[in-house]
Amino acid sequence: AQSVTQPDIHITVSEGASLELRCNYSYGATPYLFWYVQSPGQGLQLLLKYFSGDTLVQGIKGFEAEFKRSQSSFNLRKPSVHWSDAAEYFCAVGSGTYKYIFGTGTRLKVLA
Amino acid sequence: DAGVIQSPRHEVTEMGQEVTLRCKPISGHNSLFWYRQTMMRGLELLIYFNNNVPIDDSGMPEDRFSAKMPNASFSTLKIQPSEPRDSAVYFCASSLTQAGNQPQHFGDGTRLSIL
Repeated sequence: AQSVTQPDIHITVSEGASLELRCNYSYGATPYLFWYVQSPGQGLQLLLKYFSGDTLVQGIKGFEAEFKRSQSSFNLRKPSVHWSDAAEYFCAVGSGTYKYIFGTGTRLKVLA
Repeated sequence: DAGVIQSPRHEVTEMGQEVTLRCKPISGHNSLFWYRQTMMRGLELLIYFNNNVPIDDSGMPEDRFSAKMPNASFSTLKIQPSEPRDSAVYFCASSLTQAGNQPQHFGDGTRLSIL
């Protein structure tokens, strides 16, 4: 069965520091992978997606993610965090159909 | 381009009342999803429509919940009668097709409080 694990419920980083949010998935074939961000009071916004090809994908707002098949991971990174990046981040796995499996989310706090 | 539009943004009502949530998907998208988000259960898929037809309603909690999509540009989620445990944020999302590689685009949600 498909599953997505985001091991970190909360992460706190200082503004300007680098960021890595972890995502591990379980899926039999090559998955479709997504990262979304949810700011307070808003819906989920797509940051980036991976389907195939280059395992390092670039997204909006300076984020990138790397697909590592051997580790079943799709970690999200940003070299320098801004205060406006404080939000909740969700990893999701899509199969060959319409269903996504969402992780439980990681809430990011940014210290000034 | 306009994104997914949901209304109302907030709804506070008393237990037993009927609640109707509305969604306008992105034009040209043929797949529409209703989700519920709570602290305890995270994001749950309630129902999925493809070309205005309900395909998967296995996530609808019980008969008090119903959803319709009378045309490609409008969908409703109705709760009747509402209960305090229905309090949550309800999201509508749409995607271009039902293929698993199509990103889902979310509205800003309706925050529902049942007193």
